Amino acid sequence: GDSVTQMEGPVTLSEEAFLTINCTYTATGYPSLFWYVQYPGEGLQLLLKATKADDKGSNKGFEATYRKETTSFHLEKGSVQVSDSAVYFCALSDAAGSQGNLIFGKGTKLSVKP
Amino acid sequence: EAQVTQNPRYLITVTGKKLTVTCSQNMNHEYMSWYRQDPGLGLRQIYYSMNVEVTDKGDVPEGYKVSRKEKRNFPLILESPSPNQTSLYFCASNPISGSYEQYFGPGTRLTVT
Repeated sequence: GDSVTQMEGPVTLSEEAFLTINCTYTATGYPSLFWYVQYPGEGLQLLLKATKADDKGSNKGFEATYRKETTSFHLEKGSVQVSDSAVYFCALSDAAGSQGNLIFGKGTKLSVKP
Repeated sequence: EAQVTQNPRYLITVTGKKLTVTCSQNMNHEYMSWYRQDPGLGLRQIYYSMNVEVTDKGDVPEGYKVSRKEKRNFPLILESPSPNQTSLYFCASNPISGSYEQYFGPGTRLTVT
């Protein structure tokens, strides 16, 4: 079945460092891809999304490009801030599947030190 | 404001005492689901519903029940809670067209002793 694999954390960076969190997927259809973020004590919120190959999602300085040839959707940010400390989840939704079911990776915890 | 609400936010209970966690959304979404989040396991889907009176099991449905009598509400029922159901629970909703972006509630932290 469909699945998402993301790099295990925790990831600890200094402020202004470059961030990459790897995410790869397997899917039989043409999924939409998402990054969700969970700040401490809060629910998940959508960070960015891409709905077709070569689309780039971006928000709050974060970017991810939907790469069909490598089945990847890596999250990047050029200069992280302490406020970016959170857990990041990669997810996919297969439009040919159960009409909206999301499959999540296990999450990557990011800690940014001042 | 578009939102998913859950109640209660925190709950401590004892083994075997039936409980219900409510979930409500105001976006007229067809699809609703429940997840549990556990350390090292990420988010696992418990049940989902594609519309009123249509529910189905997710990955970890044992020990849980749901109902969908109204489009906006999707309560999670634990008939006889056990300590292994201690977890953080999230309700989510999304439309069944477009990009299927899910909107999450704030979470319910449940402790079963």
